Amino acid sequence: QVQLKESGPGLVQPSETLSLTCTVSGFSLTSYSVSWVRQPSGKGPEWMGRMWYDGDTAYNSALKSRLSISRDTSKNQVFLKMNSLQTDDTGTYYCTRDRGAPDYWGQGVMVTVSS
Amino acid sequence: DVVLTQTPVAQPVTLGDQASISCRSSQSLVHSNGNTYLEWYLQKPGQSPQLLIYKVSNRFSGVPDRFIGSGSGSDFTLKISRVEPEDLGVYYCFQATHDPNTFGAGTKLELK
Repeated sequence: QVQLKESGPGLVQPSETLSLTCTVSGFSLTSYSVSWVRQPSGKGPEWMGRMWYDGDTAYNSALKSRLSISRDTSKNQVFLKMNSLQTDDTGTYYCTRDRGAPDYWGQGVMVTVSS
Repeated sequence: DVVLTQTPVAQPVTLGDQASISCRSSQSLVHSNGNTYLEWYLQKPGQSPQLLIYKVSNRFSGVPDRFIGSGSGSDFTLKISRVEPEDLGVYYCFQATHDPNTFGAGTKLELK
């Protein structure tokens, strides 16, 4: 069955770089796109960016200068890197399988930006 | 960026009632390929959002037929007939027609 699992540090220092990994199973990264979505506690979700099935990327313009998404198809993994983190980057980060729009979601990983 | 405006912010309901949520877009969501990528998600407390409806009116796998999506262009509605306890939570509309993709602010379906 389709599964996605996010992993990465739960605590990041302000101004540091966040690195997250999404490990997928049950589908191929060359057939489906994967997005990253984040959600501050008590607020709505925000689409961050997408790794298209063909290897192209798309980013939310509000985050584009700080964000990079890449993948390793041999390991069934998609990576997120975001630099210059601030406290308002705190929240839950999800990876999703996309079929036009997110259909399957990972459980999410909570990231706190704090010194 | 496309702004999705959801109303109401909260919808108090009695179990067994019908509920209706509106999502209006700041621009047309018709893609150049003819599809309209307007989706509806439900997020229950402590859980990831789950897809209910894709491309305006298509129910995702396993979604009960009491969930009905409709609309076109920039005006969309999600109706839930005969609300059940497992339907309570926050509903979000989402558009994937334009980059960046965007979510509505959410509508909380709660008991009266």
